[in-house]
Amino acid sequence: AQSVTQLGSHVSVSEGALVLLRCNYSSSVPPYLFWYVQYPNQGLQLLLKYTSAATLVKGINGFEAEFKKSETSFHLTKPSAHMSDAAEYFCAVTEYGNKLVFGAGTILRVKS
Amino acid sequence: EAQVTQNPRYLITVTGKKLTVTCSQNMNHEYMSWYRQDPGLGLRQIYYSMNVEVTDKGDVPEGYKVSRKEKRNFPLILESPSPNQTSLYFCASSPTRQAGTEAFFGQGTRLTVV
Repeated sequence: AQSVTQLGSHVSVSEGALVLLRCNYSSSVPPYLFWYVQYPNQGLQLLLKYTSAATLVKGINGFEAEFKKSETSFHLTKPSAHMSDAAEYFCAVTEYGNKLVFGAGTILRVKS
Repeated sequence: EAQVTQNPRYLITVTGKKLTVTCSQNMNHEYMSWYRQDPGLGLRQIYYSMNVEVTDKGDVPEGYKVSRKEKRNFPLILESPSPNQTSLYFCASSPTRQAGTEAFFGQGTRLTVV
Protein backbone atom coordinates (compact mmCIF):
# COMPACT_ATOMS: atom_id res chain seq x y z
CA ALA A 1 0.00 0.00 0.00
CA GLN A 2 1.11 3.52 -0.68
CA SER A 3 2.18 5.77 2.15
CA VAL A 4 4.03 9.03 2.64
CA THR A 5 6.13 10.16 5.57
CA GLN A 6 7.07 13.78 6.02
CA LEU A 7 9.86 14.26 8.52
CA GLY A 8 9.27 17.25 10.76
CA SER A 9 5.82 18.66 11.35
CA HIS A 10 7.35 22.13 11.74
CA VAL A 11 10.41 23.59 10.04
CA SER A 12 11.76 27.05 10.79
CA VAL A 13 14.30 28.87 8.58
CA SER A 14 15.61 32.39 8.32
CA GLU A 15 14.77 34.54 5.34
CA GLY A 16 17.36 33.87 2.63
CA ALA A 17 18.31 30.45 4.00
CA LEU A 18 17.93 27.09 2.27
CA VAL A 19 14.56 25.40 2.60
CA LEU A 20 14.57 21.60 2.84
CA LEU A 21 11.36 19.70 3.44
CA ARG A 22 11.68 15.94 3.59
CA CYS A 23 9.38 13.36 2.08
CA ASN A 24 9.76 9.59 1.93
CA TYR A 25 7.27 7.35 0.21
CA SER A 26 6.33 3.71 0.08
CA SER A 27 5.02 2.29 -3.15
CA SER A 28 4.97 -1.11 -4.80
CA VAL A 29 5.14 0.33 -8.29
CA PRO A 30 6.81 3.40 -9.80
CA PRO A 31 4.85 6.23 -8.25
CA TYR A 32 3.66 9.63 -9.22
CA LEU A 33 4.73 12.15 -6.58
CA PHE A 34 3.47 15.61 -5.81
CA TRP A 35 4.16 18.57 -3.58
CA TYR A 36 1.24 20.82 -2.70
CA VAL A 37 1.27 24.07 -0.73
CA GLN A 38 -1.52 25.39 1.44
CA TYR A 39 -1.54 29.05 2.44
CA PRO A 40 -3.68 30.08 5.42
CA ASN A 41 -7.41 29.81 4.75
CA GLN A 42 -6.86 28.59 1.21
CA GLY A 43 -7.04 25.37 -0.72
CA LEU A 44 -4.09 23.34 -1.91
CA GLN A 45 -2.03 24.51 -4.85
CA LEU A 46 0.27 22.26 -6.87
CA LEU A 47 3.96 23.17 -6.52
CA LEU A 48 5.40 20.41 -8.68
CA LYS A 49 4.98 16.78 -9.68
CA TYR A 50 7.13 13.83 -10.66
CA THR A 51 5.82 11.59 -13.41
CA SER A 52 9.03 9.68 -14.35
CA ALA A 53 10.16 12.09 -17.08
CA ALA A 54 13.09 13.58 -15.13
CA THR A 55 14.35 12.96 -11.61
CA LEU A 56 14.90 16.67 -10.86
CA VAL A 57 11.61 18.48 -11.05
CA LYS A 58 11.27 22.25 -11.06
CA GLY A 59 8.12 23.86 -9.78
CA ILE A 60 6.64 27.25 -9.16
CA ASN A 61 8.04 29.94 -6.87
CA GLY A 62 11.61 28.64 -7.15
CA PHE A 63 10.96 25.24 -5.58
CA GLU A 64 12.37 22.00 -6.88
CA ALA A 65 12.41 18.37 -5.81
CA GLU A 66 14.58 15.40 -6.65
CA PHE A 67 13.24 11.87 -7.01
CA LYS A 68 15.66 9.32 -5.56
CA LYS A 69 14.41 5.80 -6.11
CA SER A 70 17.18 4.17 -4.05
CA GLU A 71 16.23 6.29 -1.04
CA THR A 72 12.47 6.35 -1.79
CA SER A 73 12.64 10.08 -1.25
CA PHE A 74 11.24 13.19 -2.90
CA HIS A 75 12.58 16.09 -0.84
CA LEU A 76 11.52 19.66 -1.61
CA THR A 77 14.12 22.43 -1.70
CA LYS A 78 14.40 26.13 -2.35
CA PRO A 79 17.79 27.88 -2.28
CA SER A 80 16.61 31.06 -0.57
CA ALA A 81 13.52 31.33 1.61
CA HIS A 82 11.19 34.28 1.34
CA MET A 83 8.64 35.42 3.89
CA SER A 84 5.88 34.59 1.44
CA ASP A 85 6.93 30.91 1.53
CA ALA A 86 5.44 30.51 5.00
CA ALA A 87 2.72 27.90 4.57
CA GLU A 88 1.96 24.23 5.07
CA TYR A 89 3.44 21.82 2.56
CA PHE A 90 2.11 18.39 1.68
CA CYS A 91 3.82 15.56 -0.13
CA ALA A 92 1.50 13.10 -1.89
CA VAL A 93 1.78 9.89 -3.89
CA THR A 94 -0.49 8.09 -6.29
CA GLU A 95 -0.08 4.76 -8.02
CA TYR A 96 -3.29 3.84 -9.77
CA GLY A 97 -6.19 6.06 -10.61
CA ASN A 98 -6.15 9.54 -9.24
CA LYS A 99 -6.41 8.96 -5.51
CA LEU A 100 -3.81 11.01 -3.67
CA VAL A 101 -2.27 9.66 -0.48
CA PHE A 102 -0.93 12.57 1.54
CA GLY A 103 1.70 12.94 4.19
CA ALA A 104 0.83 14.65 7.46
CA GLY A 105 2.17 17.99 6.27
CA THR A 106 5.04 20.28 7.27
CA ILE A 107 4.45 23.82 8.44
CA LEU A 108 7.22 26.12 7.21
CA ARG A 109 7.97 29.21 9.25
CA VAL A 110 10.25 31.90 7.80
CA LYS A 111 11.94 34.22 10.28
CA SER A 112 12.99 37.73 9.34
CA GLU B 1 -11.77 31.60 -14.28
CA ALA B 2 -11.17 27.86 -13.87
CA GLN B 3 -12.04 26.89 -10.35
CA VAL B 4 -13.54 24.49 -7.85
CA THR B 5 -16.15 26.18 -5.67
CA GLN B 6 -17.26 24.86 -2.31
CA ASN B 7 -20.07 26.17 -0.14
CA PRO B 8 -20.30 27.03 2.61
CA ARG B 9 -16.77 27.99 3.70
CA TYR B 10 -17.65 27.73 7.39
CA LEU B 11 -20.40 25.77 9.06
CA ILE B 12 -21.32 25.09 12.67
CA THR B 13 -24.06 22.54 13.23
CA VAL B 14 -25.49 20.31 15.91
CA THR B 15 -25.18 16.56 16.19
CA GLY B 16 -27.68 14.72 14.02
CA LYS B 17 -28.80 17.61 11.82
CA LYS B 18 -28.39 16.64 8.17
CA LEU B 19 -26.21 18.90 6.07
CA THR B 20 -24.84 19.14 2.54
CA VAL B 21 -21.62 20.72 1.39
CA THR B 22 -21.74 21.63 -2.27
CA CYS B 23 -18.88 21.38 -4.74
CA SER B 24 -18.90 22.61 -8.32
CA GLN B 25 -16.18 22.75 -10.97
CA ASN B 26 -16.24 24.64 -14.26
CA MET B 27 -13.43 22.79 -16.02
CA ASN B 28 -15.43 19.83 -17.40
CA HIS B 29 -13.32 17.51 -15.27
CA GLU B 30 -14.15 13.82 -15.21
CA TYR B 31 -12.75 12.92 -11.79
CA MET B 32 -13.88 14.50 -8.51
CA SER B 33 -13.19 13.62 -4.91
CA TRP B 34 -13.66 14.71 -1.33
CA TYR B 35 -10.95 14.82 1.31
CA ARG B 36 -10.92 15.67 4.97
CA GLN B 37 -7.93 17.32 6.61
CA ASP B 38 -7.12 16.72 10.25
CA PRO B 39 -4.04 17.94 12.17
CA GLY B 40 -1.21 15.45 12.04
CA LEU B 41 -3.05 13.23 9.56
CA GLY B 42 -2.82 15.23 6.35
CA LEU B 43 -5.67 14.78 3.89
CA ARG B 44 -7.60 11.55 3.57
CA GLN B 45 -9.95 10.66 0.75
CA ILE B 46 -13.62 10.21 1.69
CA TYR B 47 -15.29 9.44 -1.65
CA TYR B 48 -14.48 9.84 -5.29
CA SER B 49 -16.29 9.84 -8.61
CA MET B 50 -14.86 8.82 -11.96
CA ASN B 51 -17.79 10.24 -13.91
CA VAL B 52 -21.51 10.94 -13.78
CA GLU B 53 -23.35 8.32 -11.72
CA VAL B 54 -20.06 6.55 -10.87
CA THR B 55 -18.96 6.96 -7.25
CA ASP B 56 -16.91 4.86 -4.85
CA LYS B 57 -15.57 4.88 -1.31
CA GLY B 58 -12.21 6.28 -0.39
CA ASP B 59 -10.32 5.59 2.81
CA VAL B 60 -12.70 7.16 5.34
CA PRO B 61 -16.26 6.94 3.94
CA GLU B 62 -18.17 6.12 7.16
CA GLY B 63 -20.87 8.70 7.91
CA TYR B 64 -20.76 10.35 4.49
CA LYS B 65 -22.69 10.09 1.23
CA VAL B 66 -22.10 11.61 -2.18
CA SER B 67 -23.87 11.86 -5.51
CA ARG B 68 -22.81 12.74 -9.06
CA LYS B 69 -25.90 13.53 -11.07
CA GLU B 70 -24.16 16.16 -13.20
CA LYS B 71 -20.56 16.29 -14.29
CA ARG B 72 -19.87 19.64 -12.64
CA ASN B 73 -21.38 18.96 -9.19
CA PHE B 74 -20.31 16.57 -6.45
CA PRO B 75 -22.07 17.30 -3.14
CA LEU B 76 -21.00 15.77 0.16
CA ILE B 77 -23.86 14.74 2.45
CA LEU B 78 -23.67 14.13 6.18
CA GLU B 79 -27.02 12.61 7.11
CA SER B 80 -26.40 12.50 10.86
CA PRO B 81 -23.27 14.48 11.69
CA SER B 82 -21.30 13.63 14.80
CA PRO B 83 -18.54 15.57 16.59
CA ASN B 84 -15.84 13.30 15.12
CA GLN B 85 -16.72 14.72 11.72
CA THR B 86 -15.51 18.12 12.80
CA SER B 87 -12.82 18.76 10.22
CA LEU B 88 -11.66 20.79 7.23
CA TYR B 89 -13.11 19.41 4.01
CA PHE B 90 -11.76 19.83 0.50
CA CYS B 91 -13.29 19.02 -2.83
CA ALA B 92 -10.92 18.34 -5.71
CA SER B 93 -11.27 17.69 -9.43
CA SER B 94 -8.95 16.33 -12.14
CA PRO B 95 -9.29 16.20 -15.92
CA THR B 96 -9.21 12.40 -15.94
CA ARG B 97 -8.92 9.48 -13.55
CA GLN B 98 -5.45 8.74 -14.90
CA ALA B 99 -2.74 8.67 -12.27
CA GLY B 100 -0.42 11.65 -12.38
CA THR B 101 -2.89 14.28 -13.49
CA GLU B 102 -3.08 17.41 -11.38
CA ALA B 103 -5.85 17.77 -8.82
CA PHE B 104 -7.45 21.20 -8.43
CA PHE B 105 -8.73 21.96 -4.95
CA GLY B 106 -11.54 24.10 -3.64
CA GLN B 107 -11.02 26.64 -0.86
CA GLY B 108 -12.19 24.27 1.83
CA THR B 109 -15.15 24.03 4.20
CA ARG B 110 -14.47 24.18 7.91
CA LEU B 111 -17.16 22.14 9.65
CA THR B 112 -17.77 22.10 13.39
CA VAL B 113 -20.27 19.63 14.84
CA VAL B 114 -21.32 20.37 18.43
